[in-house]
Amino acid sequence: EVQLLESGGGLVQPGGSLRLSCAASGFAFSNSVMGWVRQAPGKGLQWVSGLSGSGDSTYYAESVKGRCIISRDNSRNNLYLQMSSLRADDTALYYCVKYGGGSGSGYGMDVWGRGTTVTVSS
Amino acid sequence: SYELTQPPSVSVSPGQTATITCSGYKLGEKYVCWYQQKPGQSPLLVIFQDGKRPSGIPERFSGSNSGNTATLTISGTQPMDEAEYFCQAWESTTVIFGGGTHLTVL
Repeated sequence: EVQLLESGGGLVQPGGSLRLSCAASGFAFSNSVMGWVRQAPGKGLQWVSGLSGSGDSTYYAESVKGRCIISRDNSRNNLYLQMSSLRADDTALYYCVKYGGGSGSGYGMDVWGRGTTVTVSS
Repeated sequence: SYELTQPPSVSVSPGQTATITCSGYKLGEKYVCWYQQKPGQSPLLVIFQDGKRPSGIPERFSGSNSGNTATLTISGTQPMDEAEYFCQAWESTTVIFGGGTHLTVL
């Protein structure tokens, strides 16, 4: 079964850091572009970051550029998002996603995890 | 920055055709995907590359994209189709989502 399982969310103070993890199974992880999409409470979807299968190419939304680092461990089938200098507007449910093809190929995000909640508050 | 605009809400009667639009500058020159999200659930890809359906998505879901507008069409809409729908496109390697459209089936 194709599955993505996120972890690492929690309550963090403004300015703090957090590392999200995503455990993948059921597909060729190292061949897949992966990413993170977030959804603030009651709001729409916002793409956060993407990463090529090899890990050589990274992509970031302007809102997180310089504050987040996406990475992967293909030997463990894990994806990560290191978040720092967190702000209240980073509060959201963070989804791990698998791209159906290469970035920009039009295949969309065909696998979504259930998400992990990040709350930034003092 | 590139923006995708969707109507906040669309209503349709059961069995009728629902049309949800997504507008953006020269959107027809980009690939568009559509996602369905029901309350408490993760988004589900229902259309990719403008009009293709992933395996398991009913044939009543179709999509098109031309000019500045992409359209998701649900033919013979069922009560189970009531959900939030998001369009998505790429601006270079950046992923852009529309604001979402709540589809009410009543």
